[in-house]
Amino acid sequence: EAEVAQSPRYKITEKSQAVAFWCDPISGHATLYWYRQILGQGPELLVQFQDESVVDDSQLPKDRFSAERLKGVDSTLKIQPAELGDSAMYLCASSLRGTGGETQYFGPGTRLLVL
Amino acid sequence: DAKTTQPPSMDCAEGRAANLPCNHSTISGNEYVYWYRQIHSQGPQYIIHGLKNNETNEMASLIITEDRKSSTLILPHATLRDTAVYYCIVRVVDNFNKFYFGSGTKLNVKP
Repeated sequence: EAEVAQSPRYKITEKSQAVAFWCDPISGHATLYWYRQILGQGPELLVQFQDESVVDDSQLPKDRFSAERLKGVDSTLKIQPAELGDSAMYLCASSLRGTGGETQYFGPGTRLLVL
Repeated sequence: DAKTTQPPSMDCAEGRAANLPCNHSTISGNEYVYWYRQIHSQGPQYIIHGLKNNETNEMASLIITEDRKSSTLILPHATLRDTAVYYCIVRVVDNFNKFYFGSGTKLNVKP
């Protein structure tokens, strides 16, 4: 069964450092999502791609966060500089076209700890 | 901006049915109800979704009330491996079809 891949699984960094996360969606999925999940809360959408275009980044802290999906396949989420409050699980998900009634499939996540 | 309300936790005896409620009183006619679960430190796992009719698959059943303001996820024979946080999600049908996660229900299945 096809899965969403993410790396690294765990990342420890110091504040003010740069950090990057990678996601490879299920093959053929045009829509890719990045979520942030703070401990004890549900995931919150940061950015949504349709192919290579950002369609929703209203919750992305653009002063320090950036996301790209250059060829419309895999994607990278970057934080620079990292802050203590960025400690969280970062989840990637994908779906076929992003329409209502479709299923989003989630990867295993990257757990970030900022010291 | 979660659009669902769930109890924070529930207990269930192993082998018994687990019935997890969800209120979504502001749901619109074309918005889907999804259920996912998240086992500790893993990504959310899809369980089931529906629009108006009740749905059943190999994992669970979804019962949606006629007015669509609430739903119940039923795990027919809970096992210890079903211990997880269960999220009821309304998928808003607009340009982005976003998922709005709440805080979920922690289901504790006990032997």
